Amino acid sequence: ILNVEQSPQSLHVQEGDSTNFTCSFPSSNFYALHWYRWETAKSPEALFVMTLNGDEKKKGRISATLNTKEGYSYLYIKGSQPEDSATYLCAFISPGNAGNMLTFGGGTRLMVKP
Amino acid sequence: NAGVTQTPKFRVLKTGQSMTLLCAQDMNHEYMYWYRQDPGMGLRLIHYSVGEGTTAKGEVPDGYNVSRLKKQNFLLGLESAAPSQTSVYFCASSYTASTGYTFGSGTRLTVV
Repeated sequence: ILNVEQSPQSLHVQEGDSTNFTCSFPSSNFYALHWYRWETAKSPEALFVMTLNGDEKKKGRISATLNTKEGYSYLYIKGSQPEDSATYLCAFISPGNAGNMLTFGGGTRLMVKP
Repeated sequence: NAGVTQTPKFRVLKTGQSMTLLCAQDMNHEYMYWYRQDPGMGLRLIHYSVGEGTTAKGEVPDGYNVSRLKKQNFLLGLESAAPSQTSVYFCASSYTASTGYTFGSGTRLTVV
């Protein structure tokens, strides 16, 4: 079983603050890393799929970086808004994985106070 | 375009009863997955399918069976429900590993 860890588990910030969180994964066996945004009572929605070391992806105020050599990815949110409140999941795919199966981290729950 | 549709959304079962959860996708995705989500455990893979007529076990397959007779449908069966199977079940599909998963809205199952 692959170990995908996210930190912190939860985070409270004020509206307007910028924040970031970490996803750690096995560096020796990498194929792809996904980030998902999961709002309460909804289903996870894909934010980014990252495959290359040094990848940087951006969607609005949210961006992510990838370091496959050291086994981590950062997700950044610039100027947090209350609507950014959600759980952010990262998920890892190893090579030779015929089913493209994702192993998920436990998530970082972000709460943005107005 | 409905994406991934799960039915039912909620269900309460008695211990020992059986049921089938249906997942349907209209995106022509090859890969389909069933995950369960439990507090403090994150999403864990139950079974998956890489195409019509194929299924394989994931991380926590015991107590579940699956079938993929048609490309668009992936069924999850509980033959004899147990309280330990109380969970929220998510179905997902994907085109390739380079594209994100599309998730259904979930089925909340309670076994009493």
